[in-house]
Amino acid sequence: GENVEQHPSTLSVQEGDSAVIKCTYSDSASNYFPWYKQELGKRPQLIIDIRSNVGEKKDQRIAVTLNKTAKHFSLHITETQPEDSAVYFCAASSSNTGKLIFGQGTTLQVKP
Amino acid sequence: GAGVSQSPSNKVTEKGKDVELRCDPISGHTALYWYRQSLGQGLEFLIYFQGNSAPDKSGLPSDRFSAERTGGSVSTLTIQRTQQEDSAVYLCASSLAGGVGQPQHFGDGTRLSIL
Repeated sequence: GENVEQHPSTLSVQEGDSAVIKCTYSDSASNYFPWYKQELGKRPQLIIDIRSNVGEKKDQRIAVTLNKTAKHFSLHITETQPEDSAVYFCAASSSNTGKLIFGQGTTLQVKP
Repeated sequence: GAGVSQSPSNKVTEKGKDVELRCDPISGHTALYWYRQSLGQGLEFLIYFQGNSAPDKSGLPSDRFSAERTGGSVSTLTIQRTQQEDSAVYLCASSLAGGVGQPQHFGDGTRLSIL
């Protein structure tokens, strides 16, 4: 079945630096890739998503890139702030039901 | 408007007991998903409902797990004869429509602890 691998599992950066989280997926039919941010004890919040017909999408300090050939996609956060500290999950979807297959998560710590 | 609502927020029960978890999706959302998040892990798909279509139960881990959605709105996830490995946060999500590419909005989840 579909599998999504996410790296790194933990990431520590200084405030103002950039952070990059990478995911690879196994099902070449996957065509929707959302990213969720989950703060401790809170619900996952959708922060950005990309569909397979585009290679890059940007929203202020957050961008996502997609390489369909290599079957990987990445989240880029620029000018990181302490409030960016959270667990980030990537996901992929190929099923006609829209069910999401999640990566294992990346704990991002932004040090002031 | 109101987001996805789940109850209870926490549930502690003894091994072997049955539990029922409830999800109220966002009003007007026709698709509803259940996921499970074990400690320090990603989310694992359990079941999907869309309108009056047959649910996709492909993620249910055993026949002790079942779910229903009455009237196309509220859903309940039932776990019978609970085991310690069932301990996890159970998350519900809804989207405006089913299918790929529809943003899913999550509830706060039910934290289930099996003693």
